Amino acid sequence: DAGVIQSPRHEVTEMGQEVTLRCKPISGHDYLFWYRQTMMRGLELLIYFNNNVPIDDSGMPEDRFSAKMPNASFSTLKIQPSEPRDSAVYFCASSLVGRFTEAFFGQGTRLTVV
Amino acid sequence: GNSVTQMEGPVTLSEEAFLTINCTYTATGYPSLFWYVQYPGEGLQLLLKATKADDKGSNKGFEATYRKETTSFHLEKGSVQVSDSAVYFCALKETSGSRLTFGEGTQLTVNP
Repeated sequence: DAGVIQSPRHEVTEMGQEVTLRCKPISGHDYLFWYRQTMMRGLELLIYFNNNVPIDDSGMPEDRFSAKMPNASFSTLKIQPSEPRDSAVYFCASSLVGRFTEAFFGQGTRLTVV
Repeated sequence: GNSVTQMEGPVTLSEEAFLTINCTYTATGYPSLFWYVQYPGEGLQLLLKATKADDKGSNKGFEATYRKETTSFHLEKGSVQVSDSAVYFCALKETSGSRLTFGEGTQLTVNP
């Protein structure tokens, strides 16, 4: 398997624009996680899905953020409208069910909002 | 709730020095414990894990032992290399087995 695939790797957008980040998890994995990483706040869990169903979105910072998982092989994280403070690296990860199993991370999307 | 506390960084060492990065946790039940490493510009990748008390995880010369009595999972390496320069994250997975809880990360720089 190619691992968790995220696109784009880099995104530069203007404040107020809509941004969509994409993720393809590892085939067969039950869980999908979206994280945000910044120098100030470290690694934050935004939302996670189990079998395509959102389980916990308490980490989503504002209503401007939304995430979907229409099928087992695709998820999106959307920010509308984007703001400069959203600039961060966004990671997608996936895992199998079970307390012994690790999460596999994608390469991340570096988002810059100017 | 669950939490993971790592030693504050950054940590700077000379090549071939001994490395310890402390990690302690708070959790109910019997969590699994993990160390992840993040190289510059990349995502996190699993370094090692331990799933029960007294288990020792090891990989690439790194080791960590699951100590339930001290709720710790300290990362050690006997002789670090410049290529070990990265950010290291300690994490736990709760008994229910869904999400990982990460520590704040420790930046390691190894100088030649």
